[in-house]
Amino acid sequence: AQSVTQPDIHITVSEGASLELRCNYSYGATPYLFWYVQSPGQGLQLLLKYFSGDTLVQGIKGFEAEFKRSQSSFNLRKPSVHWSDAAEYFCAVKVGSQGNLIFGKGTKLSVKP
Amino acid sequence: DAGVTQSPTHLIKTRGQHVTLRCSPISGHKSVSWYQQVLGQGPQFIFQYYEKEERGRGNFPDRFSARQFPNYSSELNVNALLLGDSALYLCASSPRGSGANVLTFGAGSRLTVL
Repeated sequence: AQSVTQPDIHITVSEGASLELRCNYSYGATPYLFWYVQSPGQGLQLLLKYFSGDTLVQGIKGFEAEFKRSQSSFNLRKPSVHWSDAAEYFCAVKVGSQGNLIFGKGTKLSVKP
Repeated sequence: DAGVTQSPTHLIKTRGQHVTLRCSPISGHKSVSWYQQVLGQGPQFIFQYYEKEERGRGNFPDRFSARQFPNYSSELNVNALLLGDSALYLCASSPRGSGANVLTFGAGSRLTVL
């Protein structure tokens, strides 16, 4: 069965430090991949997506992610974290011909001054 | 342009009651999906509707039902509420029902079952 794993439940980084959030997926074909961010009490906002082509994709708020087929990974990165980046981050894969997503359990990011 | 709007934003019910949650998609979007997000977990797929027809259903009991109206808005109904139904219910819309399209989520309806 398809699945998405986010190994890190909670990460704390200092403001200005770099960030990498890990995501691994299990899927037979090349999936459509997404990263969403959720601030407390809010819905999900799309950060970036990968459908095909260039494996390094740029998103909003200075985020980028790299698709590595050999590792079944789609890690999210940001070179310099801002305090406003504190939130929960979800990796998701779209499966099948329909539009539903399978989400990981999320990684909560805390930013310390 | 308005995003995906959901109502109510918060509600409290007791076990055994019934609840109806509503969703209005982005103008021009014909597909609506529902997700349940239990505290501390990622969202789980409940239903997808496209052009008023059910196109997908997640692993949820028959107490959960939904429908899509001619204006593409949607309702999620949950009968015989259980404590475990307490969650944030997210609605998402997309232009199409399949393919390389992106889901845009609403802010959710937070349901508490006592």
